[in-house]
Amino acid sequence: KNEVEQSPQNLTAQEGEFITINCSYSVGISALHWLQQHPGGGIVSLFMLSSGKKKHGRLIATINIQEKHSSLHITASHPRDSAVYICAVYGGATNKLIFGTGTLLAVQP
Amino acid sequence: DGGITQSPKYLFRKEGQNVTLSCEQNLNHDAMYWYRQDPGQGLRLIYYSQIVNDFQKGDIAEGYSVSREKKESFPLTVTSAQKNPTAFYLCASSIGAAGRADTQYFGPGTRLTVL
Repeated sequence: KNEVEQSPQNLTAQEGEFITINCSYSVGISALHWLQQHPGGGIVSLFMLSSGKKKHGRLIATINIQEKHSSLHITASHPRDSAVYICAVYGGATNKLIFGTGTLLAVQP
Repeated sequence: DGGITQSPKYLFRKEGQNVTLSCEQNLNHDAMYWYRQDPGQGLRLIYYSQIVNDFQKGDIAEGYSVSREKKESFPLTVTSAQKNPTAFYLCASSIGAAGRADTQYFGPGTRLTVL
């Protein structure tokens, strides 16, 4: 079992829909990263959080430390949001980043 | 513009050859990292460096080597000892020491194909 699990693995949405991507982890962590990877391959950091909730534009990230769970929400989704969204945690004995396998999101016009 | 550059974007290599991937950053970050990405798997750490002239093995260091002679540069050599080198390689950096929960900034990646 992976230490960081994401669901769903694939997600197709219609433009304008509200989207939720989930991340569960099994190790103690100091922080959690949400990352976005576009088809070209480059990765951009969206959020880093260790408690509560953060918002940036149409993106919202929440984390529940007790339940070891985080969610990434996209409001009013747009085709340009199509990408792979990756959850990663700073955890384990060495506090290095441990990555989930990603959620492939396709937003159709 | 500050950022991380990787070159080349695509690289082809014959079996048995060593190849070096470049990573440069002008963010004045102390820590730098090399990750490997394979289809259906999360990124895996190959090597990381917290300071010039120092580097540590990550989870999958076998068949790879690195150097950190300058703060800005952290090249990765894929040696012929790496049994399955075809993958997408990503370099990253962060402001503080590795092991601190700092935001990591990623380069655009190099896709290596062994022919």
